[in-house]
Amino acid sequence: AQSVAQPEDQVNVAEGNPLTVKCTYSVSGNPYLFWYVQYPNRGLQFLLKYITGDNLVKGSYGFEAEFNKSQTSFHLKKPSALVSDSALYFCAVRDTDSNYQLIWGAGTKLIIKP
Amino acid sequence: SQTIHQWPATLVQPVGSPLSLECTVEGTSNPNLYWYRQAAGRGLQLLFYSIGIDQISSEVPQNLSASRPQDRQFILSSKKLLLSDSGFYLCAWSATGGPGNTIYFGEGSWLTVV
Repeated sequence: AQSVAQPEDQVNVAEGNPLTVKCTYSVSGNPYLFWYVQYPNRGLQFLLKYITGDNLVKGSYGFEAEFNKSQTSFHLKKPSALVSDSALYFCAVRDTDSNYQLIWGAGTKLIIKP
Repeated sequence: SQTIHQWPATLVQPVGSPLSLECTVEGTSNPNLYWYRQAAGRGLQLLFYSIGIDQISSEVPQNLSASRPQDRQFILSSKKLLLSDSGFYLCAWSATGGPGNTIYFGEGSWLTVV
């Protein structure tokens, strides 16, 4: 069965430091991977996705993610964190086995401290 | 550009009362439409998805139903609400086509059943 895991429930980073939010996946075919961000009491906003091609994907708000096939990971990164980056981050993988729905990670709360 | 509107943003309903949440998408045609529920500020659960008018799939058995009276309108309903129906409901859309298409979310509706 296809799955996605976000091993960290919460990540704490000091403002200005680099940040990484981890995501690992398990798929039977080609992976289609997505990152979303959710601010309090708001809907989810799309950040970036990997479909094919370059392993380093750049997205909104200065975020990027690196696709690593051998490690089955798709970690979200940003070189310099902002306090405004504090939010809930979701990784998702497309279920290509059945109905092409997104399988969601449990979410990682990112806290950026001034 | 495409936009998604979801309303009402918040509502408080007594147990046993009916529910109607509405969602419309603008700037596209024949979208895939989705209703998600988010409990406890974390996990996303797909409730319904629709690939066209009168083509609605339910992902989990529940007290809710969905309808798609027009191409870009998606409605979530209940005849009699339960306390367990409380939560944050998110409407979303994606273009038809391959697994790489992005899902875009509305701003959500907070439902409290009392």
